[in-house]
Amino acid sequence: EIVLTQSPGTLSLSPGERATLSCRASQSVASIYLAWYQQKSGQAPRLLIYGTSTRATGIPDRFSGSGSGTDFTLTISRLEPEDSAVYYCQQYDMPPRTFGQGTKVEIK
Amino acid sequence: QVQLVQSGAEVKKPGASVKLSCKSSGYTFTSHTIHWVRQAPGQRLEWMGWINTSNGDTRYSPNLQGRVTLSMDTSASTTYMALNSLTSEDTAVYYCARDGGSHNDYWGQGSLVTVSS
Repeated sequence: EIVLTQSPGTLSLSPGERATLSCRASQSVASIYLAWYQQKSGQAPRLLIYGTSTRATGIPDRFSGSGSGTDFTLTISRLEPEDSAVYYCQQYDMPPRTFGQGTKVEIK
Repeated sequence: QVQLVQSGAEVKKPGASVKLSCKSSGYTFTSHTIHWVRQAPGQRLEWMGWINTSNGDTRYSPNLQGRVTLSMDTSASTTYMALNSLTSEDTAVYYCARDGGSHNDYWGQGSLVTVSS
């Protein structure tokens, strides 16, 4: 199975700063099959980005995704207090679909 | 609006089975596959399997093959996840999620399953 490794484990930033989250795959993933989710404490995951760079409905444009092959990035351009959450990448190129271990974003 | 509403929390003893439900509303039930994903405390999300709601076809994670069964009741717009031979490692929050074109665009609220003697 494809293993997704996310870095860093935790990101602690101030409001207005830029957050860059990385997701590295153990083998190449087709760009159309890479998604990002946000999970706030005690809540279900919420789809942010699919197809590497397409924002889901209602997702603010401060969230953007990029990458190809084995390296993918989620960028939050200007952090807001409500962005405090764990972010997961997911691949659905090759079964079983797998998730990264998550990056926790803390807002100072 | 699209909603997936899951059944409540369960407490089970080791060796027992559990069956959770996920009721879909706000869209045509048979138009979207439903996935089940679980999350053990402090762990990453783990995909368990999917059920094609148009024909009942299923596919399961190799890690759970033989222990998990997905089913559905089209008339009730509901899917079910059954897991048997429970151990403490199955303690987790279980989510159903709609397939929006391979990604999961809507999720249920989650059902906590606790396995404890």
